[in-house]
Amino acid sequence: QVQLVESGGGVVQPGTSLKLSCAASGFTFRSYAMHWVRQAPGKGLEWVAVIWYDGSNKYYADSVKGRFTISRDNYKNTLYLEMNSLRAEDTAVYHCARGDGSYYSHHDYWGQGTLVTVSS
Amino acid sequence: QSALTQPASVSGSPGQSITISCTGSSSDVGGYNYVSWYQQHPGKAPKLMINDVSNRPLGVSNRFSGSKSGNTASLTISGLQAEDEADYYCSSYTSSSTLVFGGGTKLTVL
Repeated sequence: QVQLVESGGGVVQPGTSLKLSCAASGFTFRSYAMHWVRQAPGKGLEWVAVIWYDGSNKYYADSVKGRFTISRDNYKNTLYLEMNSLRAEDTAVYHCARGDGSYYSHHDYWGQGTLVTVSS
Repeated sequence: QSALTQPASVSGSPGQSITISCTGSSSDVGGYNYVSWYQQHPGKAPKLMINDVSNRPLGVSNRFSGSKSGNTASLTISGLQAEDEADYYCSSYTSSSTLVFGGGTKLTVL
């Protein structure tokens, strides 16, 4: 069965960096686009970034563009999110999700998420 | 990348039908048939309920249906059940090759 397991969250100070990982199993990872979606405590879902199945294209939300980098290792079946210049407003549970359909526009499987807290 | 507009809350009694709207623009909802709907119970990961405006993934109850008119998409849940009480989010592909979510709607089953 499809499994997505995020790791790497924690408490960090504003202005610092953190790298999240998402280990995928149960499907052919290299054939699917992958997304990061975050949810601040008590708030709604916010799309963060997508990377195509082969890493050839990456797109970001305006709120993270220039600070976050999405990447993947199709040999290790792992998705990454490198987060720099972190701000208090980046505090959220970060979910990885598999992209499917045209333009990989819907998320058919989600991980449980990893919590990132940005606080001094 | 403004969030799509959803009502903050809706409610209905068991057995009734409810509809949740999701309003965007011609750059997202109105421009593409790539609207999705997700159900999220407290403390759980979101679950895909509808993709491509009206397609129901395998395993999703046929009580859930989706539609779109212009810049507004809608999710209808018929025959409301207690287990349907959850938060619901719409999402759309955009002209910037990104995705955007709605603010979410809390469904209360009375």
